[in-house]
Amino acid sequence: GENVEQHPSTLSVQEGDSAVIKCTYSDSASNYFPWYKQELGKRPQLIIDIRSNVGEKKDQRIAVTLNKTAKHFSLHITETQPEDSAVYFCAASFRGYQKVTFGTGTKLQVIP
Amino acid sequence: EAQVTQNPRYLITVTGKKLTVTCSQNMNHEYMSWYRQDPGLGLRQIYYSMNVEVTDKGDVPEGYKVSRKEKRNFPLILESPSPNQTSLYFCASSFQRSQLARSYNEQFFGPGTRLTVL
Repeated sequence: GENVEQHPSTLSVQEGDSAVIKCTYSDSASNYFPWYKQELGKRPQLIIDIRSNVGEKKDQRIAVTLNKTAKHFSLHITETQPEDSAVYFCAASFRGYQKVTFGTGTKLQVIP
Repeated sequence: EAQVTQNPRYLITVTGKKLTVTCSQNMNHEYMSWYRQDPGLGLRQIYYSMNVEVTDKGDVPEGYKVSRKEKRNFPLILESPSPNQTSLYFCASSFQRSQLARSYNEQFFGPGTRLTVL
């Protein structure tokens, strides 16, 4: 089955700096890669996603890049703010996008 | 209000006592899933359903059952719970959007059910 590895497990940045979280996947059949943000005590919420036919996607301060050849994808957050502090999960899916494998999460702390 | 609901939100039970966690969505989504969340392990998919009467195993299905008799409901059944099933459980629903939509397949998560098996 699919295996998704996510690094780092924790990340501390100063407010205003950029943060990068990286994920690798094992199954070349995976073709959809969402990123979810989970604030403390709350449910995960989608923040951005990318399909395998796209190399990069941006949405304001966040962006995701995908390298299909290397089987890795990354989340980039620029101009970080304290409200970006949360746990971020990457995921990979195939088979109609419903069988989903998540990474183990990255706890991001933005220091004011 | 569009939402995914789960009940109960908190449950403490004993080993071997059958339990059901309900999940319901009011968005007419075709797809529903169950996940468990454990520290250091992230979210792991237990079962998913593509539509009514269509279910399939995720990565950690052992010890769980599901059914999808109605489009809006997707209950998770633990026939004989064990302490290693102590976890935070999330139900989620989704549908495939067009390629032009902001997101292709956003999953909407329920509020979570914290289960403790003694």
